[in-house]
Amino acid sequence: DQQVKQNSPSLSVQEGRISILNCDYTNSMFDYFLWYKKYPAEGPTFLISISSIKDKNEDGRFTVFLNKSAKHLSLHIVPSQPGDSAVYFCAASAIRSGGGADGLTFGKGTHLIIQP
Amino acid sequence: KAGVTQTPRYLIKTRGQQVTLSCSPISGHRSVSWYQQTPGQGLQFLFEYFSETQRNKGNFPGRFSGRQFSNSRSEMNVSTLELGDSALYLCASSDSRGAQETQYFGPGTRLLVL
Repeated sequence: DQQVKQNSPSLSVQEGRISILNCDYTNSMFDYFLWYKKYPAEGPTFLISISSIKDKNEDGRFTVFLNKSAKHLSLHIVPSQPGDSAVYFCAASAIRSGGGADGLTFGKGTHLIIQP
Repeated sequence: KAGVTQTPRYLIKTRGQQVTLSCSPISGHRSVSWYQQTPGQGLQFLFEYFSETQRNKGNFPGRFSGRQFSNSRSEMNVSTLELGDSALYLCASSDSRGAQETQYFGPGTRLLVL
């Protein structure tokens, strides 16, 4: 049972335009969401996160939107640059009663390709 | 600050052998988590260590184990290796100051089981 879903395996966007990556989740206990960027044979690089008490978080070209009622979040990249070409993972975690948070639950990733 | 480091970067083993992977977290980070990435299953959580104790565990068999030392460095061990254990093993650290923690990943160890 996939608790975090990224339904688009790949996305192609022209350089300079907006890239929108989507993510859906099913576990209502998730309260912290993160986006990571990954190149082949490297570890994921943290991009941006959002707490469930917010609906938007912005950091430079990256903005994450959270719609709790729809259990949906999206990552907007504006403007898209060639260096943004990579696999993007959505991840979520839930608070543990014993302290800390559960391990991150990841989506399968979306391969973003920025066309020149 | 230096990032998360993992050694070795690449490893080839044969079925039935055991393997130990090492992870050094970001300085000051006390929580270390391990993940397995395979083409079929994606990124999956193995376990988390905090203050030398396993605090959380994913859904993996007992052949997968780990430990954490007093300096927060962590090791992961896989015994009786199977072909399906071939994967990228990622270590992540966080400062564990709150429940909503950002985990920072190392470059991973690529394990090939023949």
